[in-house]
Amino acid sequence: DGGITQSPKYLFRKEGQNVTLSCEQNLNHDAMYWYRQDPGQGLRLIYYSQIVNDFQKGDIAEGYSVSREKKESFPLTVTSAQKNPTAFYLCASRLAGGDNEQFFGPGTRLTVL
Amino acid sequence: GENVEQHPSTLSVQEGDSAVIKCTYSDSASNYFPWYKQELGKRPQLIIDIRSNVGEKKDQRIAVTLNKTAKHFSLHITETQPEDSAVYFCAASPRSGGSNYKLTFGKGTLLTVNP
Repeated sequence: DGGITQSPKYLFRKEGQNVTLSCEQNLNHDAMYWYRQDPGQGLRLIYYSQIVNDFQKGDIAEGYSVSREKKESFPLTVTSAQKNPTAFYLCASRLAGGDNEQFFGPGTRLTVL
Repeated sequence: GENVEQHPSTLSVQEGDSAVIKCTYSDSASNYFPWYKQELGKRPQLIIDIRSNVGEKKDQRIAVTLNKTAKHFSLHITETQPEDSAVYFCAASPRSGGSNYKLTFGKGTLLTVNP
């Protein structure tokens, strides 16, 4: 499974609530990424981190926040400011360097009720 | 930044036929081009990748070609089987260049192989 885990697999949230998605990797990868996937939209980058204690916004960062306090962990918080949070969220990681394979976690499906 | 266009968005073939998916990219600094396969409800998984120092790479029924001058690369699947049915994504990234190692993905191609 590539050594990347995401939890939970399914998550239900009421409108107005913040929720945090977990992503852990034991591959000793430097870089970690969060993507959002909607039908027909492909993979859209939310945030990414190349090293501990540093991260950058991706293409659709509004309404999301992240932290990278440990190399193994890159949690994503979906805040109440995210207007349409229902989606499939994928975490990924790779070694530093642009031509190393990027591995994906199994994903978390978030549904806002 | 990089922009990756992928075509077609859907592709339907008969079992045993070949399938071709094409991608173009905009940033001449990109020199790593992976292809991912995503089955329904599953994570994307790397099936093949190519680096800019080669023009073609094969792995059994799958091949990828790269034309750096024209900034396009293609995935070729021969002798398609029903289990090849999935969404395929192309991507591009620079191999080096500071801290910007992020992959830029195409929007995906839904391949259906009919028995």
